[in-house]
Amino acid sequence: EPEVTQTPSHQVTQMGQEVILRCVPISNHLYFYWYRQILGQKVEFLVSFYNNEISEKSEIFDDQFSVERPDGSNFTLKIRSTKLEDSAMYFCASGVKNIQYFGAGTRLSVL
Amino acid sequence: AQSVTQLDSQVPVFEEAPVELRCNYSSSVSVYLFWYVQYPNQGLQLLLKYLSGSTLVKGINGFEAEFNKSQTSFHLRKPSVHISDTAEYFCAVSKGGGSQGNLIFGKGTKLSVKP
Repeated sequence: EPEVTQTPSHQVTQMGQEVILRCVPISNHLYFYWYRQILGQKVEFLVSFYNNEISEKSEIFDDQFSVERPDGSNFTLKIRSTKLEDSAMYFCASGVKNIQYFGAGTRLSVL
Repeated sequence: AQSVTQLDSQVPVFEEAPVELRCNYSSSVSVYLFWYVQYPNQGLQLLLKYLSGSTLVKGINGFEAEFNKSQTSFHLRKPSVHISDTAEYFCAVSKGGGSQGNLIFGKGTKLSVKP
């Protein structure tokens, strides 16, 4: 069964460093999303992406964040200068027919 | 804007007992409704969905949910739980009408099944 894959499973970085989280969506899906879950809190929407552009973003998704689909298969989330409060589990999802399928997540730890 | 309330943060239950996990939503527009399950150290797995049609929807692992528009609820039920159902369950809503919009999640309910 096709699935969304995310790498790495765990990323440790120093405050101020740039990180790139990678996702390979399900191949025939056209809609892509990033969510995050800070420990003990709700899963929160960050951004959605369709037709090679951002379709919607939340207040969390500020200028420190960017997304890209560089090669038609990968979908990346970049955080330019990480902060302690960026520590969270980041989930990628891809969607078709109004249903979203999630990857296993990348746990980002900012020290 | 939509919002989701899961009233119970933790639900302990004995094996083979029935369980209901409650979910209420708020929205001024039509919605799609979902339940996702997260097993320890794993991602979010789709359990079931309501997009349209019959208000009683069946999902994987013997779970079902009923969409009640008048009560704005989408409670999840299973008649007899197993130890393997121990996980965190998330109710989520998105804008309807084919919008492919983002999901709004509840805080989650941790189901703990005891032998």
